[in-house]
Amino acid sequence: GAVVSQHPSRVICKSGTSVKIECRSLDFQATTMFWYRQFPKQSLMLMATSNEGSKATYEQGVEKDKFLINHASLTLSTLTVTSAHPEDSSFYICSALAGGGAKNEQFFGPGTRLTVL
Amino acid sequence: EDQVTQSPEALRLQEGESSSLNCSYTVSGLRGLFWYRQDPGKGPEFLFTLYSAGEEKEKERLKATLTKKESFLHITAPKPEDSATYLCAVQAPDKLSFGAGTTVTVRA
Repeated sequence: GAVVSQHPSRVICKSGTSVKIECRSLDFQATTMFWYRQFPKQSLMLMATSNEGSKATYEQGVEKDKFLINHASLTLSTLTVTSAHPEDSSFYICSALAGGGAKNEQFFGPGTRLTVL
Repeated sequence: EDQVTQSPEALRLQEGESSSLNCSYTVSGLRGLFWYRQDPGKGPEFLFTLYSAGEEKEKERLKATLTKKESFLHITAPKPEDSATYLCAVQAPDKLSFGAGTTVTVRA
């Protein structure tokens, strides 16, 4: 099956610093990747859609200058949380779109736990 | 606006006690309904995709069905290793909208 990896799996940083999270599709090419965040005991909330070679599309209420997304290749998208604050602490999950035509399926990475002190 | 509602929020089962989870949805232009399993601290694991009303899919003790307004995930004779949060999501057109999930706990 399609495999998506994320790095790092866990990161702790000080308030005001920036953190980069990588999302890779390991055995398929993904022109589209998605970034989600998940708070404890809540479901996944879509933050942005990342398209290879173009600007990301952000969901309403998500600050694009704070959550920088780069999709530089067909297998890699990165999310940078700039000037992180404690309220940015969350579980960040990426997914990659596999397949084509009417049957596009998303495969998820294992997630990155961000803790901002 | 797309809406996905899952019920119940939590389900506690005895090993071998079959049950069903519900996912009701309202969406324009449904391209697929997905079921995922999520273990604590991990990303969702793909289980099934259903594309049209009447479709059914099975995998081990799990069976997913779809109607025009809802989907059911049936767990037959569950085991403790089936304990997880089960997420339902609808795709329209390329974005997924998730329900809040049903947390299933199976006691031995």
